[in-house]
Amino acid sequence: GAGVSQSPSNKVTEKGKDVELRCDPISGHTALYWYRQSLGQGLEFLIYFQGNSAPDKSGLPSDRFSAERTGGSVSTLTIQRTQQEDSAVYLCASSLIGTGNYEQYFGPGTRLTVT
Amino acid sequence: RKEVEQDPGPFNVPEGATVAFNCTYSNSASQSFFWYRQDCRKEPKLLMSVYSSGNEDGRFTAQLNRASQYISLLIRDSKLSDSATYLCVVNIEPSNTGNQFYFGTGTSLTVIP
Repeated sequence: GAGVSQSPSNKVTEKGKDVELRCDPISGHTALYWYRQSLGQGLEFLIYFQGNSAPDKSGLPSDRFSAERTGGSVSTLTIQRTQQEDSAVYLCASSLIGTGNYEQYFGPGTRLTVT
Repeated sequence: RKEVEQDPGPFNVPEGATVAFNCTYSNSASQSFFWYRQDCRKEPKLLMSVYSSGNEDGRFTAQLNRASQYISLLIRDSKLSDSATYLCVVNIEPSNTGNQFYFGTGTSLTVIP
């Protein structure tokens, strides 16, 4: 079946511009996660959605970052007034919440470059 | 203190060698455990879940030690294609912020011909 998809795959933007990143989770997956990964670094948690609500926004680095999820499916991560330190790969993952082990499945990521 | 800690390596091993990675976690309420593999400039991909009784998938064996709060991954007969970064992942649910996954920073493995 279809996996997690993200768009765009690459985004180059000028400092100060706003960007919007999109994530399409696996159909039926109720949980959705955003992470970012800078070159050679580990994953940095940003935000988690359960359905359309976000119980944990603790990882958002600043108020320039926001995310929403509608219809329990697609999610968008918006970065306002981008800065060079925002350059990273933004990864989305989805998971089926239930009993027992449930794994996260990742999308291919959006590589953001702020010039 | 980090939720999940791994030795970053790098581990450089010859083809055919056996290599083991350990990972420790700090929260005793952790419920689910996984190993992911991440190739250079790619997204993490699930390698295997780790079950309480330990589990094996071909050349890969995962173990969980709840008393000491660590999980391990053993790779036998290493192949060149095993070269990657291996991420240890711990899940805690429920928590006061709902379901949460914690990732280690990864252990780098290079298998040398």
